Amino acid sequence: DTGVSQNPRHKITKRGQNVTFRCDPISEHNRLYWYRQTLGQGPEFLTYFQNEAQLEKSRLLSDRFSAERPKGSFSTLEIQRTEQGDSAMYLCASSRDGEQKNQPQHFGDGTRLSIL
Amino acid sequence: QKEVEQDPGPLSVPEGAIVSLNCTYSNSAFQYFMWYRQYSRKGPELLMYTYSSGNKEDGRFTAQVDKSSKYISLFIRDSQPSDSATYLCAMSNTNAGKSTFGDGTTLTVKP
Repeated sequence: DTGVSQNPRHKITKRGQNVTFRCDPISEHNRLYWYRQTLGQGPEFLTYFQNEAQLEKSRLLSDRFSAERPKGSFSTLEIQRTEQGDSAMYLCASSRDGEQKNQPQHFGDGTRLSIL
Repeated sequence: QKEVEQDPGPLSVPEGAIVSLNCTYSNSAFQYFMWYRQYSRKGPELLMYTYSSGNKEDGRFTAQVDKSSKYISLFIRDSQPSDSATYLCAMSNTNAGKSTFGDGTTLTVKP
């Protein structure tokens, strides 16, 4: 169990550029989540995958944001035409499948996005 | 008003003290309750995971859930300087899908 892995750890880009982040979940975890966290705030839910199916999207996920999980393993989050307000920590989490009541989400260390 | 409210602190205690952290919530559909610890520039680390009401103990940590009052607590016994971090409560309706987080309480344990 190597934990949730996110790359890159830090991304600095100019306003208007596109960025893509990658998340590798814990192996055997079929559920994958993206959250966004700004300074002094708790993580805010963005989207959720069950295997390759995107089952839930927050209204925070504007049309500039797209997430994919093409083979049900790793996931990518792309932000197009970045804006200053996109500066945040982007967190990925994963959890097991199944109906059992003990299916907590485990987080990676995030990708910190800084928009110049 | 946010669905989950958490006192941001900061909270400062001497080493060895008992720490009490709390969250209130408004959504009666929440059934799963979590506490995470987050160090600076790191992701949240799961500490406790509780389903429905009641108490759960794990080492120095005890989580309590009172659904009738929509109030959850985390107690840390014999606090250590290494416990200095931000503590986030989180909750969800189901065991899949989104979790809703509080904004965290910053704790400092002084040697």
